[in-house]
Amino acid sequence: GENVEQHPSTLSVQEGDSAVIKCTYSDSASNYFPWYKQELGKGPQLIIDIRSNVGEKKDQRIAVTLNKTAKHFSLHITETQPEDSAVYFCAASGISNFGNEKLTFGTGTRLTIIP
Amino acid sequence: EPEVTQTPSHQVTQMGQEVILRCVPISNHLYFYWYRQILGQKVEFLVSFYNNEISEKSEIFDDQFSVERPDGSNFTLKIRSTKLEDSAMYFCASTPRVNTDTQYFGPGTRLTVL
Repeated sequence: GENVEQHPSTLSVQEGDSAVIKCTYSDSASNYFPWYKQELGKGPQLIIDIRSNVGEKKDQRIAVTLNKTAKHFSLHITETQPEDSAVYFCAASGISNFGNEKLTFGTGTRLTIIP
Repeated sequence: EPEVTQTPSHQVTQMGQEVILRCVPISNHLYFYWYRQILGQKVEFLVSFYNNEISEKSEIFDDQFSVERPDGSNFTLKIRSTKLEDSAMYFCASTPRVNTDTQYFGPGTRLTVL
């Protein structure tokens, strides 16, 4: 089955600086890679996703890059703000015979923005 | 914006008791999932459900677990005889249609087994 590794486990950056979180996956059949933000006591919230036919996707201060050959993808947050502080999870999935497949999550990165 | 809702937000139970966790997926969604997250660990897949039957389940989802969509709006997870190690956050998620991947998560139910 799929295995997703995520690094770093914790990350502290000064407000206004950029943050980068990296993930690798094992199953070359995976073709969908979402990123979720989880605030304390809440469920994961999708912030951006990328599919395997695209190498990069950007949404305002957030971008994701995908390297299918190397089987890794990264989340980039620019101009970080205190409200970006949260735990971020990467995930990977493919398409099953039923049309949708389970998400396999990484271990999470606790991002702290220092004012 | 439509949201996945879950009740209760926190459930405390004694070991060996049965619990039912409830979810109301977004109304036009077709695929439903349960995940769990043990404190401080990553989110783990339990089961997916489509067209009134289980489409996939993980090793965690043993005979003590069951899912049901009793009335076309609710989606429930039942644990028949809870164990201490079942203590976790349980998240329900749903997706709108075939061949789309975006899963929308509910706020979770914190289950504490004493």
